[in-house]
Amino acid sequence: TQLLEQSPQFLSIQEGENLTVYCNSSSVFSSLQWYRQEPGEGPVLLVTVVTGGEVKKLKRLTFQFGDARKDSSLHITAAQPGDTGLYLCAGTFFNAGGTSYGKLTFGQGTILTVHP
Amino acid sequence: NAGVTQTPKFQVLKTGQSMTLQCAQDMNHEYMSWYRQDPGMGLRLIHYSVGAGITDQGEVPNGYNVSRSTTEDFPLRLLSAAPSQTSVYFCASSRLDRSSYEQYFGPGTRLTVT
Repeated sequence: TQLLEQSPQFLSIQEGENLTVYCNSSSVFSSLQWYRQEPGEGPVLLVTVVTGGEVKKLKRLTFQFGDARKDSSLHITAAQPGDTGLYLCAGTFFNAGGTSYGKLTFGQGTILTVHP
Repeated sequence: NAGVTQTPKFQVLKTGQSMTLQCAQDMNHEYMSWYRQDPGMGLRLIHYSVGAGITDQGEVPNGYNVSRSTTEDFPLRLLSAAPSQTSVYFCASSRLDRSSYEQYFGPGTRLTVT
């Protein structure tokens, strides 16, 4: 079973502050995704990264994929109360044959609360 | 498009009862999967399917059965409910894309087993 560690588990900040969430594995990802989930709803995809060193931006959110494809980070600039939610990273891994599994492995999630 | 739909939204079962959680998607996705979500544990894969007639086990399959007779539907059956199966269950679907497997989730079923 591939393990995926996400940190921190909880984050409580004031509006306007910056924050970073980390996602790490001992195995190489074939792809990595970040999801956001609001209470009572299913996760919604924010971004997918597949290339080592890749950086993607989505408004105030910046996603990085490590050069070795074993880690990723989500950075939020000037957080707003609307950013409050559960953030999940999820990865697919190569199997022994070198092809990508279809199965996603999720991190434990980061509960972000942004206070006005 | 309705996307991924799940029924029921809430369910309470007694220990030992059986039930089926329904999942349907209208995006013609080949890949469908079931996850359970428990506090502090993210989402864990129960079963998945890469097409009609093909299913396989995920990380936590014990106590659950699935079948996939059509592309659209992927029901999850609890054979004999146990309190440890109290959780929120999500169904998801995606294309079979080798580079990403981006998943679309349903709204979830909150199950309580007493």
